[in-house]
Amino acid sequence: AQSVTQLDSQVPVFEEAPVELRCNYSSSVSVYLFWYVQYPNQGLQLLLKYLSGSTLVKGINGFEAEFNKSQTSFHLRKPSVHISDTAEYFCATMNTGFQKLVFGTGTRLLVSP
Amino acid sequence: NAGVTQTPKFQVLKTGQSMTLQCAQDMNHEYMSWYRQDPGMGLRLIHYSVGAGITDQGEVPNGYNVSRSTTEDFPLRLLSAAPSQTSVYFCASSSASGWGRNIQYFGAGTRLSVL
Repeated sequence: AQSVTQLDSQVPVFEEAPVELRCNYSSSVSVYLFWYVQYPNQGLQLLLKYLSGSTLVKGINGFEAEFNKSQTSFHLRKPSVHISDTAEYFCATMNTGFQKLVFGTGTRLLVSP
Repeated sequence: NAGVTQTPKFQVLKTGQSMTLQCAQDMNHEYMSWYRQDPGMGLRLIHYSVGAGITDQGEVPNGYNVSRSTTEDFPLRLLSAAPSQTSVYFCASSSASGWGRNIQYFGAGTRLSVL
């Protein structure tokens, strides 16, 4: 069965500092990988996705992620964060051929001035 | 475009009451699903549907019923609410064809409290 692990429940960072949110997945088959962002009291918005092709994926708001098959990881990065990036970030996986998303437990990014 | 619309945004129920959470999408998506979000547990799939008249259970289906009579609507029913169903509920939809079938669009959520 698929699973997604987000080891960091909360990541505090200062404004303009770089950040990495970690995501590891477990699956015996090929997967698609996603990062969603949830701003306070809002729904989930797709940040970026890996379906195939280049392992470095660029998303909205300056975020990027790298698919590493050997390490089964899909870490999210941003070189310089803003206060407005404060949100909860969810990594998710989906088996190719199915449409069921499996989510990690989320990482709360707290950006302070 | 409205996208995925969920109503109500907030609801308080007493134990044993019933209610229906509404979800509607205007993107002609075949696939729709319901998730619940609980602190420290991420989002968990309750039920999903791959088209009108077809539904199936997800990871946490107990206590919830669904039906899909039209492509647009996918209501979630709580027949006898329990405090354990206090949660934030999200509806999502996606296309069933092409690369779009891998991208799920989420509603803004329904925050439910069961006392």
